[in-house]
Formats: sequence, C-alpha cells, structure tokens
Amino acid sequence: AQTVTQSQPEMSVQEAETVTLSCTYDTSESDYYLFWYKQPPSRQMILVIRQEAYKQQNATENRFSVNFQKAAKSFSLKISDSQLGDAAMYFCAYRSILSTSGTYKYIFGTGTRLKVLA
Amino acid sequence: DAGVTQSPTHLIKTRGQQVTLRCSPKSGHDTVSWYQQALGQGPQFIFQYYEEEERQRGNFPDRFSGHQFPNYSSELNVNALLLGDSALYLCASSPQGGFPYFGPGTRLLVL
Repeated sequence: AQTVTQSQPEMSVQEAETVTLSCTYDTSESDYYLFWYKQPPSRQMILVIRQEAYKQQNATENRFSVNFQKAAKSFSLKISDSQLGDAAMYFCAYRSILSTSGTYKYIFGTGTRLKVLA
Repeated sequence: DAGVTQSPTHLIKTRGQQVTLRCSPKSGHDTVSWYQQALGQGPQFIFQYYEEEERQRGNFPDRFSGHQFPNYSSELNVNALLLGDSALYLCASSPQGGFPYFGPGTRLLVL
C-alpha cells in the first residue's frame, strides 16, 4: 500500500528567507503524481505544485520549487523569499495513475504547519 | 466561476443523528470526491462519484453514503453519528480522471 510521510509537524521561517518542507512516500508503482497543497486557516485546500513521476525535471511555480528524488522516494518543497501569506498547513499528496477501471488512489500526508516570522 | 461550493459551512449534531452535506462542483467538472479531515490530520478519501455512481471507496463504514445528481452536484450522508465523525469534510471536483479542486469544507461537530 502507498504511504506518504511528513516528518516535520511544524516549521518556522523568517520573512524573505527560504524554507524546505520534507516528504517521503512509498509505492511500488513506477508512474504516479505528487503534489503539495497549502491549507490556510480558511480551510480551502489550494494546489501549490504538481510533479509527474515520469518527468525528471523538478517542477517550479514562481517562489515554489520541488526536489524530486524518485529513487529515494523523496519529494521536498522549497519556498523562496517567504511571505507572511505563506503561513499555512502544507500537505504532501500522492496520486496513482488511472487504473483500467478509471479509478485511482489519492493519499495525503499528515501535514507540516509553516509559521512565517516577521 | 464560483469554484467548488459546500454547504453548510458549520454543523453541530448529537450522537446517533444523521447528517447530509452538500457539494456543487466547479463548472465543467463531472466527478466529485469526498474526504474526511480529522483535526491535525491530512484528508482521507471517503468515496468518489462519477456518472451518478460510486466509483471507488476508501476505508469507511457503510454509515457513510453518498449520491450524485444529474447536474453533478453531490451529497454526503452519515448515519448514526459517532463522536469520532467530528471532522472537516472536504469535497473535491474534477474532470473525469483529472486533478481535484477542493471546496472550503464543512466543519462537523458531533456532541
């Protein structure tokens, strides 16, 4: 069974500095998707960045980038130039590819609470 | 585009009662998934609806049931509520096989 592990319950970063959130996962599949979601106090789950496992190039989205290490099953999120609005819970998630029946598995980690200090 | 909407935003029930939560998907999306997010935890998949049928289900008891309507909106029903059902219930919509857009959730408290 697939699992997603976030070992950092809480992280702090100074405004304008860089922070890296860690995520490891376990799967026997060779193709899948990985995601980072942000959940602010408003509770809305917002997609931050997505990585397809078959792509070797690390995904980037403005100040957000990932370090995808497929062999190590590691998927960390780097936030550069941290802003006060980045403060939120961050969830790492895994999605399998579509099965022949059109179904897939979507598994979330337990989250990392990011605090941004002014 | 209003995105994914859920109602109500908050709900308080007592043990043994039944509850119905509602979700309207993002325009153009035909698949709706429901997740339960307990306090301090990540979301856990409950089930997914497509073409008005439950297509897949997570590890949740039969007390959790759902429905999808012809306009793609969906309901989540929970019978015989337990204290442990207290959680944030998230609805996510997507095009079939696509990536989900999440709603703001319904906070359910069971007393």
